[in-house]
Amino acid sequence: ETGVTQSPTHLIKTRGQQVTLRCSSQSGHNTVSWYQQALGQGPQFIFQYYREEENGRGNFPPRFSGLQFPNYSSELNVNALELDDSALYLCASSLGRRAETQYFGPGTRLLVL
Amino acid sequence: AQSVTQLDSQVPVFEEAPVELRCNYSSSVSVYLFWYVQYPNQGLQLLLKYLSGSTLVKGINGFEAEFNKSQTSFHLRKPSVHISDTAEYFCAVSEPGETSGSRLTFGEGTQLTVNP
Repeated sequence: ETGVTQSPTHLIKTRGQQVTLRCSSQSGHNTVSWYQQALGQGPQFIFQYYREEENGRGNFPPRFSGLQFPNYSSELNVNALELDDSALYLCASSLGRRAETQYFGPGTRLLVL
Repeated sequence: AQSVTQLDSQVPVFEEAPVELRCNYSSSVSVYLFWYVQYPNQGLQLLLKYLSGSTLVKGINGFEAEFNKSQTSFHLRKPSVHISDTAEYFCAVSEPGETSGSRLTFGEGTQLTVNP
């Protein structure tokens, strides 16, 4: 059984640029959730996708957008990067619309300069 | 809206001592409760979860937690810790939805440091 994988592991961008982060869900899972974890804080929910449709969104601006593909992998896109976007971005996969139990990947660490 | 409070930001203990990491939550409805562990420069690993049933939940690595509905708590315990338990521990809550997905709300984390 393959766990959740994320790419890249680390990324450095400059303010105003755009970034795309990728996530492959655990085998058999059809729901993907994205979280942002700033340094020294707990993760914050960004949004969730179930079978290619958005299934809930947290308090993040529209420049944070996402996509889920037919194979249930997912992308997180962030436009017009700001310094405060520097964080660890975590992807979690789960089974079913209710996504009761979420399993996390290793994360992508984004640094915005 | 749901929220989680982890009452201790740092907990230092000696090896082989017992430990309790405290977590309180607030929610207006029934909840699911989780503990995750995060080792340095890694993602989150699920330690244990409470969805329903027995209020005493056993997880991996010898950890257990007890759901107390009247006190809205979900404290994590281990009778004897090892150096390798040194990590950040996060308590999380979600509200089961019929037609929407569960979003996890996390506490700020508790850094457990086990000293020799």
